[in-house]
Amino acid sequence: AQSVTQPDIHITVSEGASLELRCNYSYGATPYLFWYVQSPGQGLQLLLKYFSGDTLVQGIKGFEAEFKRSQSSFNLRKPSVHWSDAAEYFCAAAGGYQKVTFGTGTKLQVIP
Amino acid sequence: GAVVSQHPSRVICKSGTSVKIECRSLDFQATTMFWYRQFPKKSLMLMATSNEGSKATYEQGVEKDKFLINHASLTLSTLTVTSAHPEDSSFYICSARPLRATQGETEAFFGQGTRLTVV
Repeated sequence: AQSVTQPDIHITVSEGASLELRCNYSYGATPYLFWYVQSPGQGLQLLLKYFSGDTLVQGIKGFEAEFKRSQSSFNLRKPSVHWSDAAEYFCAAAGGYQKVTFGTGTKLQVIP
Repeated sequence: GAVVSQHPSRVICKSGTSVKIECRSLDFQATTMFWYRQFPKKSLMLMATSNEGSKATYEQGVEKDKFLINHASLTLSTLTVTSAHPEDSSFYICSARPLRATQGETEAFFGQGTRLTVV
C-alpha cells in the first residue's frame, strides 16, 4: 500500500539553528513528492515539490529538500530557522493524477 | 499562483442541521477536487475525490449520505454535511488540481480550510 512516513511527531530547535525534517515514502514507482506547511487553524501552503530532474529542490521561505531514491526519502531542510517557521509540516506524495497521500505531520517548535 | 478559496472559514451549527462548504478554484479550472478531514493532532484524511460532472468517489469508511459532494462546474465543488452531529466537528480542507497541467506534474492547491463546530 502507498504510504508516507514522517518519523518525528514533534521537533524543537533553537532559532538560528539548522533544521531537517524526515520523510520516507513507500510507492510502487517514484511518486511526485511535496512538502506543505500548516500554521494553526490555517490551510496548507506548498513549500516545494519534486517531479523529476535535479534531486535537490529549492522552495519558498528558504527551504530545500533532497530526493534520495535509494533511501525512499525526501527530507526537508533549512540552514537557519526563524521563529516564524514554527508550524506543522506535512510531507505528501502522489502518483500521477492520483490522490495525495499525506504523512502524519511534524510539529516544529522554535525556541529563542 | 493558483488560488483555491474555501468558504466559510468557520461555522457553528446546531446538531441535526446541515452545513454546506464551498471550494472554488479562482484562477484555474479543475476537473478534480479533493476533500480532506483533519482530526486534532492527526494528518489529513482523504474523504472523497470529486470529479466535475460525475459522482464523487468516497474513501472507505466515509458515509456518502452524510457527506454529500457536488462538483457542478470546473471551478466549484461543495461538501454538505447532513444532519450534523458533534462528532462531525472537525477541520475540513479542499484541494484542486489544475485542468491544464501535464499529467501528474502539478501539485494540488489547497483551500484555507473550514472549522466546523457542531453544538
